[in-house]
Amino acid sequence: SQQGEEDPQALSIQEGENATMNCSYKTSINNLQWYRQNSGRGLVHLILIRSNEREKHSGRLRVTLDTSKKSSSLLITASRAADTASYFCATDGGAQKLVFGQGTRLTINP
Amino acid sequence: DAGITQSPRHKVTETGTPVTLRCHQTENHRYMYWYRQDPGHGLRLIHYSYGVKDTDKGEVSDGYSVSRSKTEDFLLTLESATSSQTSVYFCAISPGGVRGNQPQHFGDGTRLSIL
Repeated sequence: SQQGEEDPQALSIQEGENATMNCSYKTSINNLQWYRQNSGRGLVHLILIRSNEREKHSGRLRVTLDTSKKSSSLLITASRAADTASYFCATDGGAQKLVFGQGTRLTINP
Repeated sequence: DAGITQSPRHKVTETGTPVTLRCHQTENHRYMYWYRQDPGHGLRLIHYSYGVKDTDKGEVSDGYSVSRSKTEDFLLTLESATSSQTSVYFCAISPGGVRGNQPQHFGDGTRLSIL
C-alpha cells in the first residue's frame, strides 16, 4: 500500500523559478524523507525531517511538515537545469521500513 | 557517494532460471535493503536485513529470497524467474535503520529483464 503520495506527478518550469512538490501520507510517522533520482541512477537522500519538526532547510531546499494534515512540501528555490530529476517522499509509517511515493518528475527548462 | 556496488548492472535471462543479484557495501552499515522500481508503483521494499543472518520481508517478498552471511554483502535470489519480476532492482544501506532517523544510501541499480 502507498504511504506517501506526491503531487503533482509532473512539473515543468523555467530555470530560475521555484518548484514546489507536495507529499501526503496516511498514518502517523517518526520521520519523512525526500530523495532525488536522476535518470538511470539510484536515489540520493536530500532531507530528513522528524515528526516534531515543522521546517528544515538545506541550501536551496526547504521542507515543511504538517503532521495535523499528514502532508509535507519540498521547495526548490532558484531552480537550475541540474535539478531536473524525479523527487520522492518516503515515510516510515511507524515501522522499521521506508515506504516511497510514486514521485514527481521535475523538468527545468533553460 | 556511499560505497555501494550492485552487480550485475544489467542482466537478461529466461523465465524459470535462477537469478542472484549482489549488493556489496564498504560502509559497515548494519541495515541493507532490496527494492524494486516499476512504472506506476514507485519503489517497493522486497526484503531487508538488520544484521548478519537477520532478515525480514518487505511489501513484495513473494518469489524472492535473501541471504546475508557477511556485513558487506546482501544477496537477492529469484529462485525461478518470471516475467513479472522484470524490473530495476536497487540496494540501499543505512547505519541505524528507519526508526533511528537515518537516511538510506542507494546503489545505481540492476536492470533485470526476464524473457
